[in-house]
Amino acid sequence: GAVVSQHPSRVICKSGTSVKIECRSLDFQATTMFWYRQFPKQSLMLMATSNEGSKATYEQGVEKDKFLINHASLTLSTLTVTSAHPEDSSFYICSARDILAGEADTQYFGPGTRLTVL
Amino acid sequence: DQQVKQNSPSLSVQEGRISILNCDYTNSMFDYFLWYKKYPAEGPTFLISISSIKDKNEDGRFTVFLNKSAKHLSLHIVPSQPGDSAVYFCAARKGNAGNMLTFGGGTRLMVKP
Repeated sequence: GAVVSQHPSRVICKSGTSVKIECRSLDFQATTMFWYRQFPKQSLMLMATSNEGSKATYEQGVEKDKFLINHASLTLSTLTVTSAHPEDSSFYICSARDILAGEADTQYFGPGTRLTVL
Repeated sequence: DQQVKQNSPSLSVQEGRISILNCDYTNSMFDYFLWYKKYPAEGPTFLISISSIKDKNEDGRFTVFLNKSAKHLSLHIVPSQPGDSAVYFCAARKGNAGNMLTFGGGTRLMVKP
């Protein structure tokens, strides 16, 4: 099946620093990628939809200046958490939609990135 | 407003028995539903899906049933295996294929040997 990778898998940073998370579709092209955040024992919350070659669409309540998203190519989207604070500590998961998948059109999820801000 | 709900946060089943995970939704615009399985510290893995024009889809040990009038879907796993122990999320999508998924809160399934 389709594979989506995320890098890094785990990152610890100091408060005030910025962290970049990469999401790559390894064997398919993805015009659309999604970024989710999962708090402990809670569901996946969509943060933003990343569209190749255009600006990301952010969900209500998500600060676009804090969570910068860039979708530079059909296989790569990046999420940068700027000036991270302890409350940004979370599990961030990306997913990618295969443009050739047709009706089934499932999203393929990355393995997630655990961010801990000290 | 939670548009997709999984009212049972956890479920415990004996190995070999049937596991039934339930999901309710409120938005009648949803036309495609998916189930994902998730282990801790990993991304969700797609299991099975169903279009709103169907009422049942089966794939091996997994069957999803959709009751549109009740806005209810369920995932049946039979026979359940210890390796099925994970958190299961149902998700719904509306409109065209480019739209986002709305997830339920998840149900933790524990299959006891």
